[in-house]
Amino acid sequence: DVKVTQSSRYLVKRTGEKVFLECVQDMDHENMFWYRQDPGLGLRLIYFSYDVKMKEKGDIPEGYSVSREKKERFSLILESASTNQTSMYLCASRRELGFTDTQYFGPGTRLTVL
Amino acid sequence: GEDVEQSLFLSVREGDSSVINCTYTDSSSTYLYWYKQEPGAGLQLLTYIFSNMDMKQDQRLTVLLNKKDKHLSLRIADTQTGDSAIYFCARTPRGAGNMLTFGGGTRLMVKP
Repeated sequence: DVKVTQSSRYLVKRTGEKVFLECVQDMDHENMFWYRQDPGLGLRLIYFSYDVKMKEKGDIPEGYSVSREKKERFSLILESASTNQTSMYLCASRRELGFTDTQYFGPGTRLTVL
Repeated sequence: GEDVEQSLFLSVREGDSSVINCTYTDSSSTYLYWYKQEPGAGLQLLTYIFSNMDMKQDQRLTVLLNKKDKHLSLRIADTQTGDSAIYFCARTPRGAGNMLTFGGGTRLMVKP
């Protein structure tokens, strides 16, 4: 069974703090993704990575950066958290094969920025 | 997901059929997906359909694709209380195999 874990289920931070969200997958997947989920907006892609040290911007990368130093781990960084970054953050991973290969999702981290 | 749209909410009685609808604007989509998110959990792939198909059936789930109207639907037969969740429609644009564009999600509530 593929497992995608995220470091925290709930996180509360203050405006201006640097925030790290960690994601780990145990299936040797090449591709990893960070989304944010907001009511009525669905999931929006922030960044994805197709290999170690490789990253691509998604639809809403502003205010975020990412790091992929090891294949199994993909970190999302908020350099200076703002209240509009309060959201549910979902990590996913997927292996590098055809379109039918699904993305496996972690349980999510609910981040509140005060 | 402004180019993938879903209604926000659907309520049905246990045992009835549920139909969740999705419309999209980009006709270049290759695969279209339905994901389910249960409370407090991540997303789980339910089923998918390739853009050259009209229908796919998988046990209680039936996916219908109307390419002309750019309309995708998910029918759940004999809906159970365990089907209560948020359902997301998603698509993969042509030439973007790693990317998924999601709709806003439809919250399905099943009343006993």
